[in-house]
Amino acid sequence: AQSVTQLDSQVPVFEEAPVELRCNYSSSVSVYLFWYVQYPNQGLQLLLKYLSGSTLVKGINGFEAEFNKSQTSFHLRKPSVHISDTAEYFCAVRIRQETSGSRLTFGEGTQLTVNP
Amino acid sequence: GAGVSQSPSNKVTEKGKDVELRCDPISGHTALYWYRQSLGQGLEFLIYFQGNSAPDKSGLPSDRFSAERTGGSVSTLTIQRTQQEDSAVYLCASVGRTEAFFGQGTRLTVV
Repeated sequence: AQSVTQLDSQVPVFEEAPVELRCNYSSSVSVYLFWYVQYPNQGLQLLLKYLSGSTLVKGINGFEAEFNKSQTSFHLRKPSVHISDTAEYFCAVRIRQETSGSRLTFGEGTQLTVNP
Repeated sequence: GAGVSQSPSNKVTEKGKDVELRCDPISGHTALYWYRQSLGQGLEFLIYFQGNSAPDKSGLPSDRFSAERTGGSVSTLTIQRTQQEDSAVYLCASVGRTEAFFGQGTRLTVV
């Protein structure tokens, strides 16, 4: 079974500072990787995904993440954050297979708080 | 519609009553998940459907919880004899080829 660990439960940063939210996963087979964002009192929105190919993936709102197979990591980064980036961020993993049939496993989430 | 629709958006119920939560997935998506998110917590997997069958229902917390899906589309999550610890946001996700699209959730409050 796969699992996801988000190493930081809370990350406070100042506006315009860079940020990295860390995510490590474990799986015995190839996986798809995702980052979702949840703004206060809203549902989950997909930020970006890694399926195959280039290990650096770019998402919405200026976020990017890098898949590192040897370190089993998929850290999320943004070079300069805004107040509006304050939200909960979830890393997720799914086993790669031909059909859509496998569990999507989430980490515990990281609360990013951007202060002025 | 274009997205995942969940109803009701909010539900307040008395302890001991049964509740039914509904999810309308994206048309054509064969896979569907239910998750639970308690206050300040991550996402707890409940059950996964592929078509009308549920190959993975290992996350259902007790036999008070059940779910079904009919016609490969709408799914309902039923909680019988609700308890206060059932209070949470229940999220449904409709799964395409690779990624999951989430509804806005049903906020369940058991009083």
